[in-house]
Amino acid sequence: EVQLVESGGGLVKPGGSLRLSCAASGFTFDDYAMHWVRQAPGKGLEWVSGISWNSGSIGYADSVKGRFTISRDNAKNSLYLQMNSLRAEDTALYYCAKDPGAGWDYFDYWGQGTLVTVSS
Amino acid sequence: EIVLTQSPGTLSLSPGERATLSCRASQSVSSSYLAWYQQKPGQAPRLLIYGASSRATGIPDRFSGSGSGTDFTLTISRLEPEDFAVYYCQQYGSSPVTFGQGTKLEIK
Repeated sequence: EVQLVESGGGLVKPGGSLRLSCAASGFTFDDYAMHWVRQAPGKGLEWVSGISWNSGSIGYADSVKGRFTISRDNAKNSLYLQMNSLRAEDTALYYCAKDPGAGWDYFDYWGQGTLVTVSS
Repeated sequence: EIVLTQSPGTLSLSPGERATLSCRASQSVSSSYLAWYQQKPGQAPRLLIYGASSRATGIPDRFSGSGSGTDFTLTISRLEPEDFAVYYCQQYGSSPVTFGQGTKLEIK
């Protein structure tokens, strides 16, 4: 059974940093691209960042480019999102999502999310 | 980036009725790279349809997707009580991938 478990969310002040983690199990992690998707309270879904199976291809939404860094450790079956210079508009539930292939596709499995709140 | 516009914003129907949800793209979605998701309150999104018309694993056949180019449709043939939720379309044919704003399907 595919499982994605996010952690690392919390309350942080504007300008602060946070590192999210996603622990994956139930599939061969290093065969698939992985993504972060966020959802602001009461709002829709927004793709944040994606990373190919071997970290050779990485992409970011314009809204986070230059502030967020995605990475993965295939030996630990883990995905990460380093978030710097956080803003109030980054407040959201952050989902880890699995790609069905090696590149940028749709998302066939999702975690339950970790909440990031940016507030003074 | 491709903007996806979903309509209607809210759809009020009764169990047993047919639901038709629309997703219109600001430009053609290449190779019909369009997916649909269902999200219930407090839950993560669940993949329903990919490639515009292929059902994901375990999805009942009352859910079907159609369309190409800029116009796509999700149809639920006979609504079950568990189908009332928010539905999102997503295109993955062009970078960045983008989502529609969602359609809320509520019980009439």
